[in-house]
Amino acid sequence: AQKITQTQPGMFVQEKEAVTLDCTYDTSDQSYGLFWYKQPSSGEMIFLIYQGSYDEQNATEGRYSLNFQKARKSANLVISASQLGDSAMYFCAMREGSGTYKYIFGTGTRLKVLA
Amino acid sequence: DAGVTQSPTHLIKTRGQQVTLRCSPISGHKSVSWYQQVLGQGPQFIFQYYEKEERGRGNFPDRFSARQFPNYSSELNVNALLLGDSALYLCASSPGSFYNSPLHFGNGTRLTVT
Repeated sequence: AQKITQTQPGMFVQEKEAVTLDCTYDTSDQSYGLFWYKQPSSGEMIFLIYQGSYDEQNATEGRYSLNFQKARKSANLVISASQLGDSAMYFCAMREGSGTYKYIFGTGTRLKVLA
Repeated sequence: DAGVTQSPTHLIKTRGQQVTLRCSPISGHKSVSWYQQVLGQGPQFIFQYYEKEERGRGNFPDRFSARQFPNYSSELNVNALLLGDSALYLCASSPGSFYNSPLHFGNGTRLTVT
């Protein structure tokens, strides 16, 4: 069964430093997508970055990059040059390619950026 | 372009009542999904509709139902409300139904059941 694990309930990072948020996944499917979302205290879920199971290059979107290690089934989010506005909950999610239409989310990591 | 819009933003209901939540997807998006997010947890899948047909249903009781209209907007209905239904209900749209389609979420409807 598909599963997403985020083992860091909370993280602190100093402004302008980089931070890595961990995500491991479990699936028996060969085709799947991995996603990261940001949820500020206001509640909306903001899509950040996507990685496909067949993508050989790690995905990057501005200050966000995804460290994809397929053999380890990990998809860690790296935020470079942290900003105060990055303080939020971060969720890792997965969608399998066959059968199911649901996205599975982890329990999230609360990131606090310190000035 | 307008994002996913949900209404109402907040709702307070009493146990046993019924509630209808509404969602308009991003223009051109044919897939709408509903998720429930209880405080401190990640979103849990409730339904997915694509081209007005139900394509997936999560582990929720039959008190939860949904539909998608010809203009791709959607409604989520919850009957016989329980205290445990208190949550943030998120609607998301995507252009397709493939696994590489990211979900684009609305701001959610916060439902409180008393």
